[in-house]
Amino acid sequence: TQLLEQSPQFLSIQEGENLTVYCNSSSVFSSLQWYRQEPGEGPVLLVTVVTGGEVKKLKRLTFQFGDARKDSSLHITAAQTGDTGLYLCAGDSGGGADGLTFGKGTHLIIQP
Amino acid sequence: NAGVTQTPKFQVLKTGQSMTLQCAQDMNHNSMYWYRQDPGMGLRLIYYSASEGTTDKGEVPNGYNVSRLNKREFSLRLESAAPSQTSVYFCASNLLTVYGYTFGSGTRLTVV
Repeated sequence: TQLLEQSPQFLSIQEGENLTVYCNSSSVFSSLQWYRQEPGEGPVLLVTVVTGGEVKKLKRLTFQFGDARKDSSLHITAAQTGDTGLYLCAGDSGGGADGLTFGKGTHLIIQP
Repeated sequence: NAGVTQTPKFQVLKTGQSMTLQCAQDMNHNSMYWYRQDPGMGLRLIYYSASEGTTDKGEVPNGYNVSRLNKREFSLRLESAAPSQTSVYFCASNLLTVYGYTFGSGTRLTVV
């Protein structure tokens, strides 16, 4: 069973601060995805990273895939209250349509 | 609006009762999934269907059955509900894994 460890589990910071969330595994993934989930809703895809070392930017969010394709990070610059939510990373083993492996998530609270 | 529709949104069952969770997508996706989300456990795959007419077990299939009625619909059935099945259930679909999953808004099930 492939495992994805996310850290930290919980993070509460002030608006305007920067933060980084990590997603680590001992397994290699063909791609890795980041989702954001708000209370009472399903996860929504933010980004997919495919190539080792790849960096993708989505406004103030920067996603990086590790060179060995075993880990990823999400960096938020100048956090806003609207960034509050549960952030999930999910790895695709490349075995077909047999489902993503999800991390347990990082609960992020941005205080005004 | 295009997407994944789940019904019902909330349900309370007594131990031993049965029920079916419905899921439909209108994006012409081939693959569909059922996940459960529990505090501290993350999203875990129950069953998936790579195409119409095929279904396969995921990580936690015990106590559940599924039916891929057609390309649009994928239902999850609990034959004899147990308190351990209290959870939030999410249906998801995708065209290709690398494009990400589209999730429904979930069914919050409580078994008493």
